[in-house]
Amino acid sequence: DGGITQSPKYLFRKEGQNVTLSCEQNLNHDAMYWYRQDPGQGLRLIYYSQIVNDFQKGDIAEGYSVSREKKESFPLTVTSAQKNPTAFYLCASRGSGGYGYTFGSGTRLTVV
Amino acid sequence: AQKVTQAQTEISVVEKEDVTLDCVYETRDTTYYLFWYKQPPSGELVFLIRRNSFDEQNEISGRYSWNFQKSTSSFNFTITASQVVDSAVYFCALSEFPFTASKLTFGTGTRLQVTL
Repeated sequence: DGGITQSPKYLFRKEGQNVTLSCEQNLNHDAMYWYRQDPGQGLRLIYYSQIVNDFQKGDIAEGYSVSREKKESFPLTVTSAQKNPTAFYLCASRGSGGYGYTFGSGTRLTVV
Repeated sequence: AQKVTQAQTEISVVEKEDVTLDCVYETRDTTYYLFWYKQPPSGELVFLIRRNSFDEQNEISGRYSWNFQKSTSSFNFTITASQVVDSAVYFCALSEFPFTASKLTFGTGTRLQVTL
């Protein structure tokens, strides 16, 4: 079945370390997105990509980096520059012909 | 800039009560999409409905109904005869018309607790 796979489901990181969250989709969708969710808050956009080798900053891009080398993959790196990285991260994709967004099951990142 | 406001942070109801979740949005676009998502404790976002700005007809799907009013920039969601399984966080979201890589702007969510 088509969908979005995010891994790992839970991730622990020591302060000062970079960590990469994986997002893979087999929906043949062009656009992909990364959102961050903090307790009691809505989802905030970190980065998005419309096509391969192109991506744009969202509302809270500082301390994060992404790449889009393949259509299926949009990994997110949380760098040591991100001051408060503990959060729930959701990846999403959207096809060019439709208007629906598909979300992954999320990665919960905890800094220890 | 787009903005979605869900003023109700948390709502508690007893099973079988009806409950309405409010959503007010702001956008300069004349064409846009509105969404409702459900987030159960497991964390994934479950798509409930999408409505485009051209269509102001209300919609009913089982126990769920949606009231879209452009005049008041509102897109409210009603659950009739609520059930414990409806307990979740519900998000309203707004998207630009997809000419480009349109982004979803989310409200802060309403946590619904349904008890026996």
